Amino acid sequence: AQTVTQSQPEMSVQEAETVTLSCTYDTSESDYYLFWYKQPPSRQMILVIRQEAYKQQNATENRFSVNFQKAAKSFSLKISDSQLGDAAMYFCAYRSANYGGSQGNLIFGKGTKLSVKP
Amino acid sequence: DGGITQSPKYLFRKEGQNVTLSCEQNLNHDAMYWYRQDPGQGLRLIYYSQIVNDFQKGDIAEGYSVSREKKESFPLTVTSAQKNPTAFYLCASSIWAPGSSTDTQYFGPGTRLTVL
Repeated sequence: AQTVTQSQPEMSVQEAETVTLSCTYDTSESDYYLFWYKQPPSRQMILVIRQEAYKQQNATENRFSVNFQKAAKSFSLKISDSQLGDAAMYFCAYRSANYGGSQGNLIFGKGTKLSVKP
Repeated sequence: DGGITQSPKYLFRKEGQNVTLSCEQNLNHDAMYWYRQDPGQGLRLIYYSQIVNDFQKGDIAEGYSVSREKKESFPLTVTSAQKNPTAFYLCASSIWAPGSSTDTQYFGPGTRLTVL
């Protein structure tokens, strides 16, 4: 079974600085998708970025980018020019590309709480 | 506006009662999901449905039931058999497209259930 691990329960960053959130996963599959979701105090889960495992190029969405290391099974999220509105829980998630049975469902890490200091 | 709605936002239940959480989407998505979130935990899958009139158990289905009579709706019933139902419940939906990269899950705003 696949697992997702976020080893940093809490992180803090100064406004306008850069922060990196770590995520590692365990799988025997070669084709899958990885996601970062943001959960602000409102508790609405918001998709931040996604990465297809077959793509070597790291995904980027404005100030958010990932460092995807397939061999190391690592998927970190970098937030540049941090803003107060970035303060939230961040969840890393894995999804198999194989849709047989429940394998298409998301598997989440336990999250990292990010604080942004003004 | 297209999106996913969940109601109520807060729900209180007495022990021994069944309660039903509503989830509606107008995104024309095929698949719908229910997750439970506890403090310090990630989301855990309760039930999911890929098409109307069909649904499958997730990792923690015991004490819960669902129905999928319409594409737009996927209500979750928390039964009295659920030992510790106090939690935050999130509904999500996605396109069901095996082999596609377009089936990202989108989430509703959630329901906070408290057992009194």
